[in-house]
Amino acid sequence: GAVVSQHPSWVICKSGTSVKIECRSLDFQATTMFWYRQFPKQSLMLMATSNEGSKATYEQGVEKDKFLINHASLTLSTLTVTSAHPEDSSFYICSALAGRRMDSPLHFGNGTRLTVT
Amino acid sequence: AQSVSQHNHHVILSEAASLELGCNYSYGGTVNLFWYVQYPGQHLQLLLKYFSGDPLVKGIKGFEAEFIKSKFSFNLRKPSVQWSDTAEYFCAVTTDSNYQLIWGAGTKLIIKP
Repeated sequence: GAVVSQHPSWVICKSGTSVKIECRSLDFQATTMFWYRQFPKQSLMLMATSNEGSKATYEQGVEKDKFLINHASLTLSTLTVTSAHPEDSSFYICSALAGRRMDSPLHFGNGTRLTVT
Repeated sequence: AQSVSQHNHHVILSEAASLELGCNYSYGGTVNLFWYVQYPGQHLQLLLKYFSGDPLVKGIKGFEAEFIKSKFSFNLRKPSVQWSDTAEYFCAVTTDSNYQLIWGAGTKLIIKP
């Protein structure tokens, strides 16, 4: 079945550094990918919608200069957390829409656990 | 604002017990409803979904869910659980305005052998 590969699965970094998270659709083309963030005991919260070849659409309250999203190809979207701080420590997960229809299958990566020290 | 509530964060059952996980959403328009499951160490997988038609939806692995519009609910059920059903279950909703998922907080289900 369709697989979304998210890398790395966990990362520890120091405050002030940047971290890049990759989301790849392995056997389908994804014109749309979503980036979510999950805090403990809360639901996944949508951060941004990434469309291939165009600028990402960020949700209210998400700093676009801090969370840089690039969707350069139909199989790859990246999220870069710039100048990370401890409060950015969280679980980040991507999903990819396998099609253009509203009921197209949505496939998820395994997520990335980010810890900023 | 649209939201999804899963009232139980943790559920512990014995094998062969019946299961019902609650899911309520807040949105007055047309919704599409999903249940996802995440087994330990794996990515989220779709269990079942409802778009229209029969409000009783059957999914994989013996799961089913019933959409009750008047109650804004989409509860997940299974008549007899197995140890392998130990996982985290997420309810999610998309609305008629977009297909971005609105997620519940998840329910961790532990089945005792």
